[in-house]
Amino acid sequence: KNEVEQSPQNLTAQEGEFITINCSYSVGISALHWLQQHPGGGIVSLFMLSSGKKKHGRLIATINIQEKHSSLHITASHPRDSAVYICAVSVQGAQKLVFGQGTRLTINP
Amino acid sequence: DTGVSQDPRHKITKRGQNVTFRCDPISEHNRLYWYRQTLGQGPEFLTYFQNEAQLEKSRLLSDRFSAERPKGSFSTLEIQRTEQGDSAMYLCASTSVSSYNEQFFGPGTRLTVL
Repeated sequence: KNEVEQSPQNLTAQEGEFITINCSYSVGISALHWLQQHPGGGIVSLFMLSSGKKKHGRLIATINIQEKHSSLHITASHPRDSAVYICAVSVQGAQKLVFGQGTRLTINP
Repeated sequence: DTGVSQDPRHKITKRGQNVTFRCDPISEHNRLYWYRQTLGQGPEFLTYFQNEAQLEKSRLLSDRFSAERPKGSFSTLEIQRTEQGDSAMYLCASTSVSSYNEQFFGPGTRLTVL
């Protein structure tokens, strides 16, 4: 079992829909990261959080430390949101990130 | 551009050849990471430097892989005697305590071993 699991692996939705991507982890963490990867490979950090909730524009990230679970929400989704979304955790006591397998999101116009 | 840069962006090589990739981190970042990402998967940790010291290496990093960061600035990742299974995207990231350990990623080097 991977230390970081994401669901769903693939998600297709229509423009305007509310999107939720889930992430569960099984290790102790110091922070959880949500990352966005577009075709071509570049990875951009969307959020880094260790508790509660963060919001940036149409994106919202939440984390429940007790349940070891995080969600990434996208409101009013747009075709430009199409990308792979990756959940990663900073493992407690270590410097490295451990990544989920990613969720491929496609928003159709 | 003050982001993380990687060179080359693409490399095609024949099996058995040696390849070397370079990563230039954000200048004030003292921590540098190498990750490998195969198609359809999330990245996997390879190794990490704090300044010039290599502090952790993954078991994924076989004897054919070596990484250096000689002056605590840029880093190189060398793969000797490449195998087809080495085909992947090699990602570099950098961070520092002052950026609250948020990692900033380079564009990656895509390696294809024929």
